Amino acid sequence: DIQMTQSPSTLSASVGDRVTITCRASQSISSWLAWYQQKPGKAPKLLIYKASSLESGVPSRFSGSGSGTEFTLTISSLQPDDFATYYCQQYNSSLTFGGGTKVEIK
Amino acid sequence: EVQLVESGGGLVQPGRSLRLSCAASGFTFDDYAMHWVRQAPGKGLEWVSGISWNSGSIGYADSVKGRFTISRDNAKNSLYLQMNSLRAEDTALYYCAKDIGPYYYGSGGGAFDIWGQGTMVTVSS
Repeated sequence: DIQMTQSPSTLSASVGDRVTITCRASQSISSWLAWYQQKPGKAPKLLIYKASSLESGVPSRFSGSGSGTEFTLTISSLQPDDFATYYCQQYNSSLTFGGGTKVEIK
Repeated sequence: EVQLVESGGGLVQPGRSLRLSCAASGFTFDDYAMHWVRQAPGKGLEWVSGISWNSGSIGYADSVKGRFTISRDNAKNSLYLQMNSLRAEDTALYYCAKDIGPYYYGSGGGAFDIWGQGTMVTVSS
């Protein structure tokens, strides 16, 4: 099975900061990677699919990059609504989520 | 409005069974793969199972293989998860999720663009 490792597990940042979250796959997954945002008590929300495709309605401050085994989610200017937990998920071979990155207020 | 509504959760004893349902509306159900994803209290997301648009391709996480069965009824716009031999570690909020494509992984799909609100399953004596 493919393992997904996210880093950091927790990130403290301020409004306006540029934030980067990394996701590493235990083997190549091509570009079959998605990113989700989850807020407490809510279902996850799809942000990015196929590593870099922005889901409809998602603000352009979110972007994804990478291929193979290394991927990043970048928030160009952190907004108050962005404090949440973020998950990566591979769908190259079966499906696996990363452990999550909690973005907290600094 | 595109919507997924789960039902069937509850408190069940270890070793017993439970069947979850997910009612879909607002989109052409039989065009898309569907999934179950769970989240234990305070923990991360875990994919449980996925099924292609026509039930021709099905997958399970190793943790539930042989105990859980996913199915769908396209005529009823419904997704199901039959859970047998339940264990304490199956305790979680179970989400139904719509795939972006007709197949449940790879070039045919595997990302989830619509989620339900979840149904809680608690396995305890």
